[in-house]
Amino acid sequence: EAGVVQSPRYKIIEKKQPVAFWCNPISGHNTLYWYLQNLGQGPELLIRYENEEAVDDSQLPKDRFSAERLKGVDSTLKIQPAELGDSAVYLCASSYLTGTGELFFGEGSRLTVL
Amino acid sequence: AQRVTQPEKLLSVFKGAPVELKCNYSYSGSPELFWYVQYSRQRLQLLLRHISRESIKGFTADLNKGETSFHLKKPFAQEEDSAMYYCALSGLTGNQFYFGTGTSLTVIP
Repeated sequence: EAGVVQSPRYKIIEKKQPVAFWCNPISGHNTLYWYLQNLGQGPELLIRYENEEAVDDSQLPKDRFSAERLKGVDSTLKIQPAELGDSAVYLCASSYLTGTGELFFGEGSRLTVL
Repeated sequence: AQRVTQPEKLLSVFKGAPVELKCNYSYSGSPELFWYVQYSRQRLQLLLRHISRESIKGFTADLNKGETSFHLKKPFAQEEDSAMYYCALSGLTGNQFYFGTGTSLTVIP
């Protein structure tokens, strides 16, 4: 089992450019999360999916961020256009809908905006 | 509003000394509390959860509802315990997770 897979691991772009991150959760996990982690901070929730439905996106800056989880499996998080302050690690995690409450994290995608 | 507070960003202890990482929370209800750990160059992973009442790698944590705390303790720190530790809270549905800002633990040989 590969665990939660994220790509790319690293991305460097110039401001105002678009960027996309991809996440493949653990097979069978209904719930998928995107977290933002700034340097020296804990993960902050951006969006949570239960199957293909976004059930909590209150912290997602919808003017520039978008996400989708087609068919309730893989998910993509997009930023357009990127700003300097978006430099951070974007973490994907998954869990069972009615499981033990354990989150399984990917390795993260580190974004640097120049 | 739900909140998880870890007052120490950095903590250093000598090998063999006891260690305690503090976590306080605020939540209007009965949350579930967790400790997650991130070792160098590894992904964030679950260390332990309060409902299991288990000891993992010698670590224990007791939920104190009166003090709204969930401190992580280990009687004898080891070098391999050096890592980032995050306290986390899960809400009513079990699928909402809120993380603290983390404590970086360094165990000095």
